Formats: sequence, structure tokens, C-alpha cells
Amino acid sequence: DQQVKQNSPSLSVQEGRISILNCDYTNSMFDYFLWYKKYPAEGPTFLISISSIKDKNEDGRFTVFLNKSAKHLSLHIVPSQPGDSAVYFCAASPSGGYQKVTFGTGTKLQVIP
Amino acid sequence: ETGVTQTPRHLVMGMTNKKSLKCEQHLGHNAMYWYKQSAKKPLELMFVYSLEERVENNSVPSRFSPECPNSSHLFLHLHTLQPEDSALYLCASSQEVGTAFGQPQHFGDGTRLSIL
Repeated sequence: DQQVKQNSPSLSVQEGRISILNCDYTNSMFDYFLWYKKYPAEGPTFLISISSIKDKNEDGRFTVFLNKSAKHLSLHIVPSQPGDSAVYFCAASPSGGYQKVTFGTGTKLQVIP
Repeated sequence: ETGVTQTPRHLVMGMTNKKSLKCEQHLGHNAMYWYKQSAKKPLELMFVYSLEERVENNSVPSRFSPECPNSSHLFLHLHTLQPEDSALYLCASSQEVGTAFGQPQHFGDGTRLSIL
């Protein structure tokens, strides 16, 4: 049973427009959510995170929104740039002590110049 | 050198071979992880080490044997692997285990393993 789901395997967006990547989760014990970005032939790199006490966290062009009641989070990239083309992974974890991080399957974003 | 370094980047081996994957982190972190990434599947956590002690063994077959001699180095020893073990193996580190306090994991670039 997949506890973190990214239902869109791919997304294409024009340069300069907004990219919205979605993630749904089923485990109500998840307290901490992260987004990672992965280029081909490289490991994932941390992008942005949010804890369950917030509903929004912003870092430059990247904003993550959390809707706990819907068990849904999204990553907004504005404006999208060709260098943002990568696979984006959503991840989630309960808080406190050692807790296993659960990853989604990823969404491949292509930003078209 | 900075970050998390994995060697080799690519490995092709037969089912009867024995090989090892190496991971080294230069970040001063206390926790290290092995993940497996198969096509179209989420990252699967295999092993977690905190200060050289294994804290998680996620039902991984015994043909995978981890070793953590110190907090900077992590190995994955492989023997008698199966074709379904072909995947990308990623190593990661974090300041402490878990992510409760804003400590994301830093990943290496992975070893692409192919079993003949």
C-alpha cells in the first residue's frame, strides 16, 4: 500500500508559467513533508519542506502548500524555468526520534522554452 | 571533496559474483542510509545507520549485507544477487536519523547495478 502518491507521472509547462506538482498521502501520522528534485544520473537533492503546523512555506520561486484535512500537498514553481526540468519526489515522515521517510514515485516536469 | 560520494557509478555483475558498493559522506553527519530505486517504483529504504549502529533493516534479503565502520563510510556487500536486484542504489546521509527537526537527507548520485 503506497502511503505517498504522486498520481501524475509527468507534466509539461511553458517557460515563465506556473508549475504545480501534487502529492497525496494516506498516513495521518505524517508530520513532516519534503520535496526533492532529481536530474538524470544524479541523486535527489532537497528542495523545500513543510511541517504539519504550517500550511505554506515559501523559498524563492518554490512554494509548498499543505492541506492536512485533504491529506494533500502541492509544490508551486513560479515562474518555471527550463533548468527546473527534472523529476520531483514528494516525501513524508512522522515526527519524533527515528522515523522512516516514505517517498512517492515522482513526477517528471518538463519546462518548455 | 564535499557531499556524499558513491563508487562505483556503474556495476555489472553475474549472479555468483561478490561485490561491494561504497559510500562516503563529507558532511559530518551521524546517520547514513541505503535506498533502492527500481523503475517506476518509489525509493525503498533498505538500511539505516545512526552513529555506526544499524537502526533499521527493512526486510532486506540476506544477500545484501551492510557495513558501517564509522560515521563517514557505508558499504553494501552483495553476493549471489538475482536479476530483480538490478536497480539504482542510493546512499544518503543526514545530521541525525529522521527528519523531525528540519534535517533532510543528502543523497549521493547512486550506483547503477545490473545483474546478468
